[in-house]
Amino acid sequence: DTGVSQNPRHKITKRGQNVTFRCDPISEHNRLYWYRQTLGQGPEFLTYFQNEAQLEKSRLLSDRFSAERPKGSFSTLEIQRTEQGDSAMYLCASSSRELGYGYTFGSGTRLTVV
Amino acid sequence: GENVGLHLPTLSVQEGDNSIINCAYSNSASDYFIWYKQESGKGPQFIIDIRSNMDKRQGQRVTVLLNKTVKHLSLQIAATQPGDSAVYFCAENIGDTGRRALTFGSGTRLQVQP
Repeated sequence: DTGVSQNPRHKITKRGQNVTFRCDPISEHNRLYWYRQTLGQGPEFLTYFQNEAQLEKSRLLSDRFSAERPKGSFSTLEIQRTEQGDSAMYLCASSSRELGYGYTFGSGTRLTVV
Repeated sequence: GENVGLHLPTLSVQEGDNSIINCAYSNSASDYFIWYKQESGKGPQFIIDIRSNMDKRQGQRVTVLLNKTVKHLSLQIAATQPGDSAVYFCAENIGDTGRRALTFGSGTRLQVQP
């Protein structure tokens, strides 16, 4: 499978716990994005990497959220001290300059905070 | 993702009919638009895109129309099939700023009746 891979697919955690999600983009894509999607809504932008550099962060990305892309390949998104409002689908996407803006999305990680 | 679009506007069509899904965008500076299809449990899937210097673009069974005067975008699907049933999102980008984030609309659920 050469698409964008996200793990885990589902995560249930207790409020206050930390969680980490992983995204493996399409190998030749240098751009990687994280989005959050709540029920009935379109995806909302969280952050964007070009290679290993994090170039933009949304105001939605509070100080409890941190994203990394250490070698310009896979990326992780960590949420510390989870809250019930963090329950959502977390989507990763990748693209390359040659493709313009047409991202390829992964299937997402569904987070449920109980 | 799962249960995407619980309370979304719904368009119900008969198999074989043409479908038209509409989207109003808000930012007159947006210069790139994309339509995505999202099936339950999956990430958004690219359908077709259009740049602001165009009014119309056609793909396989799909056509996107852009009316910049009224900031309106539409997706036409010809000979709609049961496999077209999904939630459809329009997304916009302001390319001149170099910003790579997409802003998504709230989505429309398409139900195809056999």
